[in-house]
Amino acid sequence: KAGVTQTPRYLIKTRGQQVTLSCSPISGHRSVSWYQQTPGQGLQFLFEYFSETQRNKGNFPGRFSGRQFSNSRSEMNVSTLELGDSALYLCASSRRGQGADEQFFGPGTRLTVL
Amino acid sequence: DAKTTQPNSMESNEEEPVHLPCNHSTISGTDYIHWYRQLPSQGPEYVIHGLTSNVNNRMASLAIAEDRKSSTLILHRATLRDAAVYYCTTYNFNKFYFGSGTKLNVKP
Repeated sequence: KAGVTQTPRYLIKTRGQQVTLSCSPISGHRSVSWYQQTPGQGLQFLFEYFSETQRNKGNFPGRFSGRQFSNSRSEMNVSTLELGDSALYLCASSRRGQGADEQFFGPGTRLTVL
Repeated sequence: DAKTTQPNSMESNEEEPVHLPCNHSTISGTDYIHWYRQLPSQGPEYVIHGLTSNVNNRMASLAIAEDRKSSTLILHRATLRDAAVYYCTTYNFNKFYFGSGTKLNVKP
């Protein structure tokens, strides 16, 4: 079956702009998590959605937000971009978003902020 | 926050077993332990996970200490394709906490 897809794969923005990233989970998966990966901070949890509800949130400013649609597809938005937001943004899907479930990651969206 | 600590890097010879350690001393009783690996320019790939008992799958084995404060990922016969960054994570308070990972180098 098809894996997790993320669009776009690459994005270049300038400071102050906003950006929207999209994630399509594996069919039947209702949980989508988002992560930010940078060389300095590693993989950091942003937030998790299950059945259109945000269940958990990491330690990121309010400029980072997300949502999930009824078909489980998810989007994340970053407003007022800063240079430090340059990173690989990964989404992962799982059946129920619990510790017993394996996560399947997408290839990521590489965001560069100039 | 739940934390995991791993060695920064390890090296192995091809076709030999590899034992990748991870400490997760703040783990609580119901937290699962997961391992993922990441190749350059790719998203992480699931390897294995467990709660209390040792686990085996086609990719690897997971040995969990009796007190659950540490675990070891075992690759039984390393191949060049196993060269990657391996992440040990714990699922705690409904979040996955990733460590900094171990970069595994496999020598032919």
